[in-house]
Amino acid sequence: GQSLEQPSEVTAVEGAIVQINCTYQTSGFYGLSWYQQHDGGAPTFLSYNALDGLEETGRFSSFLSRSDSYGYLLLQELQMKDSASYFCAVDSGGYQKVTFGTGTKLQVIP
Amino acid sequence: EADIYQTPRYLVIGTGKKITLECSQTMGHDKMYWYQQDPGMELHLIHYSYGVNSTEKGDLSSESTVSRIRTEHFPLTLESARPSHTSQYLCASTDTRGRGTQYFGPGTRLLVL
Repeated sequence: GQSLEQPSEVTAVEGAIVQINCTYQTSGFYGLSWYQQHDGGAPTFLSYNALDGLEETGRFSSFLSRSDSYGYLLLQELQMKDSASYFCAVDSGGYQKVTFGTGTKLQVIP
Repeated sequence: EADIYQTPRYLVIGTGKKITLECSQTMGHDKMYWYQQDPGMELHLIHYSYGVNSTEKGDLSSESTVSRIRTEHFPLTLESARPSHTSQYLCASTDTRGRGTQYFGPGTRLLVL
């Protein structure tokens, strides 16, 4: 079966850096995505890693290690508006069926 | 900017009623998905489609059905709503040629009394 694990909650201080980890066990792997979801809203795409290494997009970076079945999302210079849930997701298989992780609720405090 | 729409945004309905949740996208994406999500919880895939006349059930058992007669339209139907169907329903689409990025609609919040 498919499974992705993330910490359920993380709290960090405004202006700091936070890392949200994701470990996965899937029958196939094409890439790891990250999504942000504010309370009451829909998920929005943040980043995608198909190859090992770090991808940087502004304050957000995402890392992938395929050999370890592990990735993380790094948020720098945290802002209050970054308080949201963050989901990792794996594309597995030629039909791009996507499996989402359990989600990490990030709370940014002053 | 993604162009994917869902209607209605909110729906309160009585037990036993038949309802259809609409989802449309104007991006020409061939892959479309329906997810069910309770507040603060993970997303559960309930249906997906690879293209016209192609539909599959997802990981979460659901009493709903879907159809895909046109590329842009992927409605979800509940033949007989029950209180256990109360949840948020999210529609998403993706382009095969892309990196698997899913674009989500705003969601439909369903309350079955």
